[in-house]
Amino acid sequence: SAVISQKPSRDICQRGTSLTIQCQVDSQVTMMFWYRQQPGQSLTLIATANQGSEATYESGFVIDKFPISRPNLTFSTLTVSNMSPEDSSIYLCSVEDNGYTFGSGTRLTVV
Amino acid sequence: GIQVEQSPPDLILQEGANSTLRCNFSDSVNNLQWFHQNPWGQLINLFYIPSGTKQNGRLSATTVATERYSLLYISSSQTTDSGVYFCAVEDSGGGADGLTFGKGTHLIIQP
Repeated sequence: SAVISQKPSRDICQRGTSLTIQCQVDSQVTMMFWYRQQPGQSLTLIATANQGSEATYESGFVIDKFPISRPNLTFSTLTVSNMSPEDSSIYLCSVEDNGYTFGSGTRLTVV
Repeated sequence: GIQVEQSPPDLILQEGANSTLRCNFSDSVNNLQWFHQNPWGQLINLFYIPSGTKQNGRLSATTVATERYSLLYISSSQTTDSGVYFCAVEDSGGGADGLTFGKGTHLIIQP
């Protein structure tokens, strides 16, 4: 199955700033998925990123807050914009390759 | 959208005990996976099992798609089995849509 490299693994950020998370896949994939896991909670899908088109966002998530890039079939970024402490979460990317595989996650703390 | 319910929400066992975790889902699925999230937040895929039975060492899983449930069995538990176990499904619509996660079972194995 696909191998995903995600970075950074963790970061502590000041409120009002932005953080960009990167995911690199070792094979070409049509779609990449971004999830959020708030403290003590389950994973929630933020958006689906398809190369060559705008990302599709789930209810409750908007492009201005979570802009996504998908410049090619092996790479995607998620930006968390204008952060507040409520954005403190683990963010994970995922691809479908005979089942879904996940990156190792980015643990974000906003202070 | 599809609903995923996991039980029990919490489980505390002694090392060596066996356990059964359950996942109920509300609609037909293309994909069902069981994951283990370790204390560092990493999500490990245990089984890709939209139907049937699979075994991997001390772990096995069964999905009865017609009755919309899946079971994860852990035998001879070890302290390293501690963590959160998630069931996640992809509904049966066309294409890759991402996964819907249950709330998880938090398992603690005591020495």
